Order: sequence, then structure tokens, then C-alpha cells
Amino acid sequence: QKEVEQNSGPLSVPEGAIASLNCTYSDRGSQSFFWYRQYSGKSPELIMSIYSNGDKEDGRFTAQLNKASQYVSLLIRDSQPSDSATYLCAGHYGGATNKLIFGTGTLLAVQP
Amino acid sequence: ETGVTQTPRHLVMGMTNKKSLKCEQHLGHNAMYWYKQSAKKPLELMFVYSLEERVENNSVPSRFSPECPNSSHLFLHLHTLQPEDSALYLCASSRDVAGGINEQFFGPGTRLTVL
Repeated sequence: QKEVEQNSGPLSVPEGAIASLNCTYSDRGSQSFFWYRQYSGKSPELIMSIYSNGDKEDGRFTAQLNKASQYVSLLIRDSQPSDSATYLCAGHYGGATNKLIFGTGTLLAVQP
Repeated sequence: ETGVTQTPRHLVMGMTNKKSLKCEQHLGHNAMYWYKQSAKKPLELMFVYSLEERVENNSVPSRFSPECPNSSHLFLHLHTLQPEDSALYLCASSRDVAGGINEQFFGPGTRLTVL
């Protein structure tokens, strides 16, 4: 059973701090990972993709992938109240159907 | 219109009704997906279409019937649903399903309530 695990939170951080969101996965066959942001009542929005070990930075966001330890993380620097949302981690398992396995998401609350 | 659109945005139906959800993607993609999102549960993949051909049916009950007339449009036909089918139904699209990493982009979703 392929699984992606996330702490449901809420993770509460003060405005301007670094928010660290973590995700672990069970299947070493997963090739790549995606982070989606989902505001309450809205649909998921892709914010980061990471395909290889190491760090990938995009603006205030840094995704980190460690395949040996089977974890993925998302760091949000200078957190803003507008970053308050649920962050979904998804693992890509390739194959013929481009299947993603999603975690349940971590709720982030940035306190002004 | 840009991105992925879905209609209706909200739907309330009785268990004996028949209704359809519509999805349209304006990204020039070849693959489309239906997902179900229920409270406290991970997104569940329901169906995958690649170039109008269904390539995944994730053990979905027959009361959900997908249709993909072309690579830009995807429908989900609903009949004799149960209250536990109430959820947010999301459509997504990607460039392809194979040949590398294909990022999926979601539409706004249809909030379905079954009475």
C-alpha cells in the first residue's frame, strides 16, 4: 500500500517566521513529489515540484527531498497571514497513468 | 477562459436524481482526471483519461460514469448516489500521462451534496 503521511496540524507560526512542513512516504518507488496549497473552500494549487534529492528554491518556498530517508519538506520563509492554508504533499509513482498519491494535508496558520 | 473550469460549482441532488458534472481544460493538455475530496481524507483518484481513452478506473462504483468526448472536455455522470458520496469533486489535467513528469493542475471543483 503506497502511502504519503503528513501531520494534520494545525501548525501555528508567527508572521515573518519560517514554516516547516513535512511529509513521509512509504514506497521507495516514488520518483517525484509535489506540494499543493489549498485555501479553505478552494481547490489545490500547485506551488512546488521536486524531482531529485536536495533542495529546490522558488521565491520564499524551498522544497527538500531526501530519498534515502523517504521524506519531503516544504519551507516557507517570511511567512505571511496569506500563507495560511492546508498544504498537500503528493508522491508521483509513474507508470502509465501519472498517478499521484496524496497525504491528508497540514493546516498552516500564520499569526499576525 | 483559462486553466481548468468546472460546472456547476455547487450541486444538491436527491438519491434518485441524475446529474452531470462538466470539466473543460484550456491548457492544451492530453490527460484529464477526476478526483474526490472528502473531509479528513486524502484526495482519491477516480478516473484517468489520456487522449479520450480511459486508462484508470480506481474501483469506483458504477453510479459514477465518466465520459471524455475529446481531450478538452470531461464529464462525470451521476445517478442513484448515496449521502456518503457528498464531497468536493475535482477535475485536473496534465500535459500527458507518460513520458516523464506531468504536473497536474486542478479546476475549482464541484461541491456535491446528496440528500
